[in-house]
Amino acid sequence: DTEVTQTPKHLVMGMTNKKSLKCEQHMGHRAMYWYKQKAKKPPELMFVYSYEKLSINESVPSRFSPECPNSSLLNLHLHALQPEDSALYLCASSQGRAARNTEAFFGQGTRLTVV
Amino acid sequence: AQTVTQSQPEMSVQEAETVTLSCTYDTSESNYYLFWYKQPPSRQMILVIRQEAYKQQNATENRFSVNFQKAAKSFSLKISDSQLGDTAMYFCAFIELNAGNNRKLIWGLGTSLAVNP
Repeated sequence: DTEVTQTPKHLVMGMTNKKSLKCEQHMGHRAMYWYKQKAKKPPELMFVYSYEKLSINESVPSRFSPECPNSSLLNLHLHALQPEDSALYLCASSQGRAARNTEAFFGQGTRLTVV
Repeated sequence: AQTVTQSQPEMSVQEAETVTLSCTYDTSESNYYLFWYKQPPSRQMILVIRQEAYKQQNATENRFSVNFQKAAKSFSLKISDSQLGDTAMYFCAFIELNAGNNRKLIWGLGTSLAVNP
């Protein structure tokens, strides 16, 4: 199983809503990532979890709140978003921050629209 | 600072022909990996090929091969016998292995490749 599964695939939310994005992997990977991607641009790193601990926060606004309940799951809680937060949100995982094999596996993403 | 440059925003190729996508990078480190990722309209980011900096031999995966020139800091991707399914954004990316907990992918801006029938 080399899959990273993200739900939902599409999400439309109002600026006052609270929603969550979910990501799951069963490859035994110990590093998990959230990226934000605008159309025709490379992914921008938001957060990195290593062994269920937050190791990188790329100065992301507090309206985005990550959570790693266990080694297989990664959530991104959304609250009071702005229209400019509309984007594709990608989850990825890799073996571990210290592993020589740094290949990252990506999910299909959640297309988020903030109205 | 580490950077990755893809100088071709858009390219097109006829089906069954060969195309080469360019990538250059800048780093003072010696221990790193380079990657080419493909992102078709379906949005899935898929690893196409990877190269370890200490390996002199160029990586090959079926119709995809790289020309890795470490001294020139160049990492181009060659796609042979192009197929319609190769139509996608292609991103070159770099990761430096000694960064510890700060290890993260550095991305180029991407090349949009269209394979024409």
